[in-house]
Amino acid sequence: QQQVKQSPQSLIVQKGGISIINCAYENTAFDYFPWYQQFPGKGPALLIAIRPDVSEKKEGRFTISFNKSAKQFSLHIMDSQPGDSATYFCAASITNFGNEKLTFGTGTRLTIIP
Amino acid sequence: GAVVSQHPSWVICKSGTSVKIECRSLDFQATTMFWYRQFPKQSLMLMATSNEGSKATYEQGVEKDKFLINHASLTLSTLTVTSAHPEDSSFYICSAKRGYEQYFGPGTRLTVT
Repeated sequence: QQQVKQSPQSLIVQKGGISIINCAYENTAFDYFPWYQQFPGKGPALLIAIRPDVSEKKEGRFTISFNKSAKQFSLHIMDSQPGDSATYFCAASITNFGNEKLTFGTGTRLTIIP
Repeated sequence: GAVVSQHPSWVICKSGTSVKIECRSLDFQATTMFWYRQFPKQSLMLMATSNEGSKATYEQGVEKDKFLINHASLTLSTLTVTSAHPEDSSFYICSAKRGYEQYFGPGTRLTVT
């Protein structure tokens, strides 16, 4: 099944805290896992992505943790700031099919409070 | 790098008319572009995959005669909503593929009155 399950649906974190969003997938053929950030009325922006040959990838305050055996991956936002308030989507794709369609999670609305 | 633009950013049209949305990759060439539709507070729904020089591939349930896609060059794909109706009102977003990654445009808000 080409589904990616994302949780939580919404998340409120205090400024300076760690925001954690989780995703789980079923299709073991997925081999590319990006995270997107979307502000209201805007298109999604690629934040960070990982492939299953590594367990963690860090870019600035954003870290992806990947657990291949559990078929789960998560986004950690360290030192969360009000400007991080947005909707976050995880996604997955199979990169050897040519078109590499993305299967998106349902999204997490993150709110960072002062 | 990897900038994708869309035009127009918003459009209002009358029921029964057609509207064209352009998607351009500004600083890279994209043999494959994608068109999505997004309803408020929902995830992105893939409508079709657009390949330069060939017919688009539509997802199940998407009417290809209503949503016409043309990928005329390596930097331009267009989506034409034909005979638009109020239920076609939505946020339409395109993306362009570079390597494994997809880069999204800013979206087009379509309102059909």
